[in-house]
Amino acid sequence: ELKVEQNPLFLSMQEGKNYTIYCNYSTTSDRLYWYRQDPGKSLESLFVLLSNGAVKQEGRLMASLDTKARLSTLHITAAVHDLSATYFCAVDRDNAGNMLTFGGGTRLMVKP
Amino acid sequence: NAGVTQTPKFRILKIGQSMTLQCAQDMNHNYMYWYRQDPGMGLKLIYYSVGAGITDKGEVPNGYNVSRSTTEDFPLRLELAAPSQTSVYFCASSYPRDQMNTGELFFGEGSRLTVL
Repeated sequence: ELKVEQNPLFLSMQEGKNYTIYCNYSTTSDRLYWYRQDPGKSLESLFVLLSNGAVKQEGRLMASLDTKARLSTLHITAAVHDLSATYFCAVDRDNAGNMLTFGGGTRLMVKP
Repeated sequence: NAGVTQTPKFRILKIGQSMTLQCAQDMNHNYMYWYRQDPGMGLKLIYYSVGAGITDKGEVPNGYNVSRSTTEDFPLRLELAAPSQTSVYFCASSYPRDQMNTGELFFGEGSRLTVL
């Protein structure tokens, strides 16, 4: 059974600080997805990491993938309040389709 | 840009009632999915479909049924509602993952269901 684990589950940080969210998964997969969810809203795609060593950046967020370690990171640089949300990583269940297994989410709260 | 449209957005059911959550997409995606999200948790796959007439079970299919008669529509049927089915239900769609497409899922706004 594929397991996707994120840590921390909850993160409270001050504006201007840096931090990293970790996503570990238990099976071989060559791609990983990051989503953002605002309270009471749907999921919005942030990044699709397509291969080992892939790095994607958008604004203050940078995601990377190490398929050998089965690890992805989402790094937050100089956090701002608008980044407050829950972040999910997701992995293909069978590495050939689109049946994503999601992590439990990291709830990020950025305090002014 | 409608994308993925879900109805209803909110519904309260009594134990034992049945209902159908509707999902429609206008992006001509082959693949469609139903996920449920319990409070403070990640998403769990209920059912998915890779094309019209083809459906298959996900991680948590018990108590649900689906059909896919057209590319656009993928309704989720709850039979004999139970309190354990209280959740937020998300429909999603995507192209197949291949050299042209990343397999990225596009989600609807969600349907919040409470069973009392």
